[in-house]
Amino acid sequence: RKEVEQDPGPFNVPEGATVAFNCTYSNSASQSFFWYRQDCRKEPKLLMSVYSSGNEDGRFTAQLNRASQYISLLIRDSKLSDSATYLCVVSGFQKLVFGTGTRLLVSP
Amino acid sequence: EPEVTQTPSHQVTQMGQEVILRCVPISNHLYFYWYRQILGQKVEFLVSFYNNEISEKSEIFDDQFSVERPDGSNFTLKIRSTKLEDSAMYFCASREGPREAFFGQGTRLTVV
Repeated sequence: RKEVEQDPGPFNVPEGATVAFNCTYSNSASQSFFWYRQDCRKEPKLLMSVYSSGNEDGRFTAQLNRASQYISLLIRDSKLSDSATYLCVVSGFQKLVFGTGTRLLVSP
Repeated sequence: EPEVTQTPSHQVTQMGQEVILRCVPISNHLYFYWYRQILGQKVEFLVSFYNNEISEKSEIFDDQFSVERPDGSNFTLKIRSTKLEDSAMYFCASREGPREAFFGQGTRLTVV
């Protein structure tokens, strides 16, 4: 089983749509969880950390279910500028482990 | 805003040559990392560095690879004898503790 699994997509959505990404992880001892965004040929940039209580940042909502080892990201009112690859990242004390990423394409 | 900086942004080297990729992590961070991303593939962990020593490394990080923190600010990745399959984007990252990591803009390594 992969350490971090994501649907690679692509997800093609129109502007204004709501889209959800999911991620599962295999190491139950994982401690920190993040969503990063990566634009083509650029470095990963932190979108948001993910907490068990769930957290929201504007149009973005992240949820963590430790019992199911599952992380989600919801994007509301999609913008053209949201087109990117969304990386699910799981960390213990040391390394961060990346999923393959889910590609999102928002069209006019 | 503090940031991780990497140099060079692009390096072309001949197969069998040694390369050194350089990184300046954020100054108060304690954990340092190298990752690589082959074009079109996932971001892969290479090595983590803490308290002036390697704390974890992946299977990719074989004897051809080494890391150093020579002067308390720079963090380098050396590849002794490059292979064609080492062509990738190499990202340096740092973090303060068990929180988010910040990534440099990457060095694109092309081995010809």
